Amino acid sequence: ELKVEQNPLFLSMQEGKNYTIYCNYSTTSDRLYWYRQDPGKSLESLFVLLSNGAVKQEGRLMASLDTKARLSTLHITAAVHDLSATYFCAVDIGGADGLTFGKGTHLIIQP
Amino acid sequence: DAGITQSPRYKITETGRQVTLMCHQTWSHSYMFWYRQDLGHGLRLIYYSAAADITDKGEVPDGYVVSRSKTENFPLTLESATRSQTSVYFCATSGSDKPQHFGDGTRLSIL
Repeated sequence: ELKVEQNPLFLSMQEGKNYTIYCNYSTTSDRLYWYRQDPGKSLESLFVLLSNGAVKQEGRLMASLDTKARLSTLHITAAVHDLSATYFCAVDIGGADGLTFGKGTHLIIQP
Repeated sequence: DAGITQSPRYKITETGRQVTLMCHQTWSHSYMFWYRQDLGHGLRLIYYSAAADITDKGEVPDGYVVSRSKTENFPLTLESATRSQTSVYFCATSGSDKPQHFGDGTRLSIL
């Protein structure tokens, strides 16, 4: 059974700081996704990582994938309040049966 | 360009009642999924479908029924609602190139 663990589950940080969210998974996979969810809203796709060593960047967010370590990271640089949200990683092990999600990291960025 | 439409957005019902959540997509994506989101659990897969007339169970299928007679529709039915099924339900689709795209969700309360 695939397990996906995110940490931390809750993070409060100040604007301007850097931080990293970690996503570990238990089964071999080379497909990992990051989503953002605002309160009461749907999930928005942020990054698609499809191979070992993949790195994607969008603004202050950068995601990477190490398939050998079964680890993905989401790095936040010089955080701003607008990045406050819940971030989910999700792993795809192939086939038609959807994604397995981590429990999410609730991120609050304070001025 | 509506993409994915879920209805209703909000629903309150009583235990023992049957309730159907609707999901409609305009992309003609092959794959469709139903997830439930609960605090502390992230998103968990209920059922998925690889094509019309092909459905399969996910992680938490008990108490739910799905059908997919047409590619664009994937309704989820709670045959006899229980309080433990109070949740936010998300429908998602994907083509051969994931990631999954999510609907706006249905917030279901069972009294």
